[in-house]
Formats: sequence, C-alpha cells, structure tokens
Amino acid sequence: SAVISQKPSRDICQRGTSLTIQCQVDSQVTMMFWYRQQPGQSLTLIATANQGSEATYESGFVIDKFPISRPNLTFSTLTVSNMSPEDSSIYLCSVGVFLETQYFGPGTRLLVL
Amino acid sequence: ELKVEQNPLFLSMQEEKNYTIYCNYSTTSDRLYWYRQDPGKSLESLFVLLSNGAVKQEGRLMASLDTKARLSTLHITAAVHDLSATYFCAVGNYGQNFVFGPGTRLSVLP
Repeated sequence: SAVISQKPSRDICQRGTSLTIQCQVDSQVTMMFWYRQQPGQSLTLIATANQGSEATYESGFVIDKFPISRPNLTFSTLTVSNMSPEDSSIYLCSVGVFLETQYFGPGTRLLVL
Repeated sequence: ELKVEQNPLFLSMQEEKNYTIYCNYSTTSDRLYWYRQDPGKSLESLFVLLSNGAVKQEGRLMASLDTKARLSTLHITAAVHDLSATYFCAVGNYGQNFVFGPGTRLSVLP
C-alpha cells in the first residue's frame, strides 16, 4: 500500500485566483494521478503526472487550466488556475501500486466564491 | 469508450438484511476494483478483482467478477449501520486511467 498526504486539506478561494495543491507519497511510485470529484458525483481523471516529463491530460482538461508538476517519484502538484465557482470540487491524487490498485490521498476540498 | 454503470444508485436497507450492488462495464477488462467513501472522506480500497471468477470477502462484504458478462457484484450480508457509505466500482489497470462508476449511496437504517 501507500500513505498519501495532500495540502491543503481545504480552501476557500476568490474567483480569478489560483491554488496549488501538493501531494506527497511515503514511497517512490511510478504512476501518479489527479482526479476531480464534483459534489455528489463520481471521480473523473484530470491527468497522469509523469516524472520528468509533461503530464498527460484527459479530454476536457488542459495544461493552462490545470498545470501539473512531478519533480520526483514521491511528490506532485496540481494548480487550479483562474478559478471560477465551477471549479469547486474535491481534488484527489492517487498512486498506482504495482500489481495492486490505486490508493487515494485524503483530498483537497475547494470552494470558489 | 469504456463506461461503467452501477445499480442501484441509492439504496436504503434495514439492518440484518442482505442486498447486492451491481457493476456493469462496457468493454473487456479483467481488472475491477471496489472502493468505499464515507461522507467528507477519501476513497478506501475494499477489493481488487483480477480475473474471471474472482471472489473476495471481507467481513459482511463479498465481491465477485464475471468478465464474460462484464459484471461485478458487491454482496452485503446482514447489513449494519457502519456499512452506510457510498460504494464505487472502477475498471482499469493500476497504472492507467481508472474509470469509475457513478457510485451507490447506501444507507443502513436501524
């Protein structure tokens, strides 16, 4: 398994600002992902965070809006840029553990006013 | 495009009763995962099903996978209040995109 922490755990932000979310894992992992969960909804993958290269984004998500960094095998950041109320969600990072499953961090609850 | 459906989406059940949650998916996959999410919390991994016919049990929960029917079930035996949560199934490989079902919100009533 893997132990994952995220910062901040929650935040309230103003429209037009940006927020950077950090994800830290207790061991080196190859696969790291960022998901969004809108209120009362399921999870949707934003992007795969690749170590040493650009993230791979899913349809409907773009780098200008959700820039991602992955400087090493235990850490990643997701920035939500130029926020609007529609960005209010829970943002979760996850890691894929070889031959197991994906383990999820505790999430960052974002409210945009 | 892979799609994952769950049935039912909402379930209220009385304690000590049995029930089954169904998870259907649209394309071939031999890997299926069940998660639990409590309100305001993250996702907790419950079961990893990696082959046709796989069956796993933990306490009052039992999950199975039929890859030919593209169906997984999560069976609840003698429900207790502590099982109240939202249950998600997901299809994919640990190293790739997981496609999640919509979730089944379970409420166990005394």
